[in-house]
Amino acid sequence: GNSVTQMEGPVTLSEEAFLTINCTYTATGYPSLFWYVQYPGEGLQLLLKATKADDKGSNKGFEATYRKETTSFHLEKGSVQVSDSAVYFCALSQYGNKLVFGAGTILRVKS
Amino acid sequence: NAGVMQNPRHLVRRRGQEARLRCSPMKGHSHVYWYRQLPEEGLKFMVYLQKENIIDESGMPKERFSAEFPKEGPSILRIQQVVRGDSAAYFCASSPDRAPGSVYGYTFGSGTRLTVV
Repeated sequence: GNSVTQMEGPVTLSEEAFLTINCTYTATGYPSLFWYVQYPGEGLQLLLKATKADDKGSNKGFEATYRKETTSFHLEKGSVQVSDSAVYFCALSQYGNKLVFGAGTILRVKS
Repeated sequence: NAGVMQNPRHLVRRRGQEARLRCSPMKGHSHVYWYRQLPEEGLKFMVYLQKENIIDESGMPKERFSAEFPKEGPSILRIQQVVRGDSAAYFCASSPDRAPGSVYGYTFGSGTRLTVV
């Protein structure tokens, strides 16, 4: 079946450091790929998405590129802020109405 | 425009009791999805409903769990005779249509944290 694997956290960085959170997936065909963010006490918010190979999703300084050859969708940001501290979820959707999530990665950014 | 509202935010139940979790979708959204997040795990799909219809319940446990989305009122996820393993965060999402790719229209609620003691 479809699955998503994310790097384990927590990831702790200093402000302005470079961020990478690894995400790989297993799926048949060509799923759509997503990154969601969950701030403390809130619901999940869509951060960015990509629908086909080589697409790059971007939002709020975060980027991720759909790499079919490596079945990956790694999340990157060049300079993190304290306000980026949250839980980040990688997810895929095969047929449009369900999401398959990774376990989530806690990011802590220290000033 | 209020988002997806879930209540209660926290719910404590003793083993054997019933838990009722409510989800009011965004205005204009007629599709509701329930996901469960067990400790240290990602969210897992449970059920997808439209008004008065269950569209996909492939992720629902076979026993003790049920869901409804009546013509009027919120969607309800009901867990009968709760056990400790039901302790989790339950998230609801809503979307405005059922076209392929409607995950793009997902809006998640803040979740209900169920603790079974």
